[in-house]
Amino acid sequence: AQSVTQLGSHVSVSEGALVLLRCNYSSSVPPYLFWYVQYPNQGLQLLLKYTSAATLVKGINGFEAEFKKSETSFHLTKPSAHMSDAAEYFCAVSIYGGSQGNLIFGKGTKLSVKP
Amino acid sequence: DGGITQSPKYLFRKEGQNVTLSCEQNLNHDAMYWYRQDPGQGLRLIYYSQIVNDFQKGDIAEGYSVSREKKESFPLTVTSAQKNPTAFYLCASRGQGKGTEAFFGQGTRLTVV
Repeated sequence: AQSVTQLGSHVSVSEGALVLLRCNYSSSVPPYLFWYVQYPNQGLQLLLKYTSAATLVKGINGFEAEFKKSETSFHLTKPSAHMSDAAEYFCAVSIYGGSQGNLIFGKGTKLSVKP
Repeated sequence: DGGITQSPKYLFRKEGQNVTLSCEQNLNHDAMYWYRQDPGQGLRLIYYSQIVNDFQKGDIAEGYSVSREKKESFPLTVTSAQKNPTAFYLCASRGQGKGTEAFFGQGTRLTVV
């Protein structure tokens, strides 16, 4: 069965520091992977997605993620955090059928950015 | 502009009442989804529909009902059977293909008073 795990429900970094949000997936077939961002009281917005083209995927707002098959990971990074990056981030994997409606989301990681 | 619209943004319900949350999309997507979001629990799937006049239960369908009479619309009714309806509700739509992303509405915050 396919699943996705986000390590750390809350991550805190200083402004200007590296952001690293972890996502590991479980899939018996090549996965399609997504990172979304959610600001308070808003919907989710796509940051980037992996669809088996390049393993290093660049997204909006300076974020990028690297697909590592050997580690079954798709961690999200940004070299230098900005105050506006404070939000909740969700990793998701696309699956075949199932009760999840074809998309499985992780439980989310809330990012805090300290001045 | 294409997008997905949820209304209202805030909704208050008295105990024992049914309420309906609206979700409309003009992206021509076949699939639509309803999620419930509670603090620390991520997104939990309530119902989804992959084609008009057909829908499937997600993980927490009890106390909810949906309809899909038009491709553009996927309203969610929170019934009086839902014992703890206070939450943030998100609607999403998605095109065909496993590599396509879901597009989300801005959410409806439902509060029981």
